[in-house]
This record gives sequence, structure tokens and C-alpha cells, in this order.
Amino acid sequence: DARVTQTPRDKVTEMGQEVTMRCQPILGHNTVFWYRQTMMQGLELLAYFRNRAPLDDSGMPKDRFSAEMPDATLATLKIQPSEPRDSAVYFCASGLTADTNTGELFFGEGSRLTVL
Amino acid sequence: AQSVTQLGSHVSVSEGALVLLRCNYSSSVPPYLFWYVQYPNQGLQLLLKYTTGATLVKGINGFEAEFKKSETSFHLTKPSAHMSDAAEYFCAVTRGGGYQKVTFGTGTKLQVIP
Repeated sequence: DARVTQTPRDKVTEMGQEVTMRCQPILGHNTVFWYRQTMMQGLELLAYFRNRAPLDDSGMPKDRFSAEMPDATLATLKIQPSEPRDSAVYFCASGLTADTNTGELFFGEGSRLTVL
Repeated sequence: AQSVTQLGSHVSVSEGALVLLRCNYSSSVPPYLFWYVQYPNQGLQLLLKYTTGATLVKGINGFEAEFKKSETSFHLTKPSAHMSDAAEYFCAVTRGGGYQKVTFGTGTKLQVIP
């Protein structure tokens, strides 16, 4: 059963600490998205990658957020230093780009971050 | 640029009643449109999608949606609501021919009243 795996599922940290969230996309998928979900803003696109290269990270606060794909099986989202306003659920989603792609995304279960 | 607007952040229906969740899109090119569902403490999962071809698309759990270009709409319907349909529903839009940004609406929470 292929699925997107995210860790940690829940993270509570204190302001100023570094937070790293990890995502394992579905094997063979070549596109990875990071979204942030809050009650106020809904689903916000932070960054996305195709074939491990960042295509767009304009939705991400550059001063504290960074996203990388060290290899095809791992995507990371790092916040340093974290702030209370970063509290949200962070979703990773993967998909497959092809000439006949349908744009469907497969979501992980999310990482719930609470910054105190 | 592309966007979707979902009318109504909360919708309540009685069990057995018609479900209608509204989505209007804006896109400068032919869109690909999607409905996703999110159950509590879970990620989003695809309900149905429109890319090209038949404008009435059927999805899982008895849901369907109709692409109406003239109205720039892609409303989600289900003839008879079930308690298990209570969830949040997101409309989304992207372009074809390779992944572009997938833009989501703000979501509609569906409550089903017994």
C-alpha cells in the first residue's frame, strides 16, 4: 500500500528551537509539495520540487524556513528559529509528472507543530 | 494565475438529503479541477477529478461533480448524505501538461445531521 510518510506526527517545541519535518514520497513519484494548514489561512503552498529541484518556494518565509530533497526518497522542511506563529499542520504531498499527468496529489497525514 | 473560491465555509445537511458544495474557479488556461476530502487528523485524499473529456465526473463514495465552463464552476454533489460524509472538502485547480502549482480553496466543512 503506497503512501506518503511524514515524521514526526506531532511536535511540541519552544520558541527559538530548530524543527525538522521529514517526508518520504511515494516510490517513483518525482514531484513533492509542502503545504501548511491553519484555521486562519487554510492550505498554503510553501514549496514544491520536481526531480529533487526546487521549482517554487515563494510561499515560504526565507529567513527561517528551508526545504530540501537530499535524495529522491526524502524531503525535509526545516524551521530555524521557530516561532509561535509557525504552529500549524504541515503536509507533504507527492505526485507524478508525465505528459498525461492528471495533477493528482497524494498527501501524508501531516506533522502537527506547536511552538510555545 | 489560477484560483478557486468555495462558497460557504460550513454546510449542514440532514442525513439522506442532497449534498451540494460549491466551487468556482478562475484560470487563464483550460483547468484541471479536483475535489479532495479531509477527515479529522488525516491528510487530504482525492474524491474526483476533471481533466478533459466528459464534464460530469464521478468519484468515490457516491460523489460527482460537473465542469461548467460557461459558469466557471465545478460544484460537488451527492444525492443522499450519509453520516460518514462529515468532513472538510477542498476544491483545487491546476494546469495540465506537467505539474504547476496546485491551488486549493479554503475548504467547506460538511456537517451531517441525523
